[in-house]
Amino acid sequence: NAGVTQTPKFQVLKTGQSMTLQCAQDMNHNSMYWYRQDPGMGLRLIYYSASEGTTDKGEVPNGYNVSRLNKREFSLRLESAAPSQTSVYFCASTPLGAATDEKLFFGSGTQLSVL
Amino acid sequence: QQQVKQSPQSLIVQKGGISIINCAYENTAFDYFPWYQQFPGKGPALLIAIRPDVSEKKEGRFTISFNKSAKQFSLHIMDSQPGDSATYFCAATYAGGTSYGKLTFGQGTILTVHP
Repeated sequence: NAGVTQTPKFQVLKTGQSMTLQCAQDMNHNSMYWYRQDPGMGLRLIYYSASEGTTDKGEVPNGYNVSRLNKREFSLRLESAAPSQTSVYFCASTPLGAATDEKLFFGSGTQLSVL
Repeated sequence: QQQVKQSPQSLIVQKGGISIINCAYENTAFDYFPWYQQFPGKGPALLIAIRPDVSEKKEGRFTISFNKSAKQFSLHIMDSQPGDSATYFCAATYAGGTSYGKLTFGQGTILTVHP
């Protein structure tokens, strides 16, 4: 199994450009998440989808939009990229949203630079 | 605001030594505390986790100590090995409903184990 697959792995944008980060999981997980990782700040939740058909804001949603395309895919869109969005973006999934000893399965990340 | 504070930012340990990373949280509603390990170029992966109804959890060389009254928890790595060199993140979340994957992460600790 591939697990959580993110594309692209690297991307350079100019300020104002738009792009979509793609994420797909093949583990039949219900919940999916987008985090960003910045030095000295750990990972911060951008958006999440508890189940197919639902999306909700996380801690830092401004400047982003998401789409839960189907159970497998959850995309993150930057409509007008800003230098402050330079970061490493991680997609993650969990089997359930319920209270169990479940773990987040992370993709390998997309390194985004906005010039 | 940073609801989970992690220290130190970096740690250098000799092979065979003990690595200790500390975290403190503010929100008393948090009831699930995982630690994630991240190698360069990879996404974080769950290492070990604890619930506040126990004060300690051990898995192999890794132990979490939890102090509910002080709102602190720590990771101890016994007999540290060069292969343990990675970035470690503590995190906290609510174990109920669809909230599991909405982790609040600490800032991260870069651990280097010298041979």
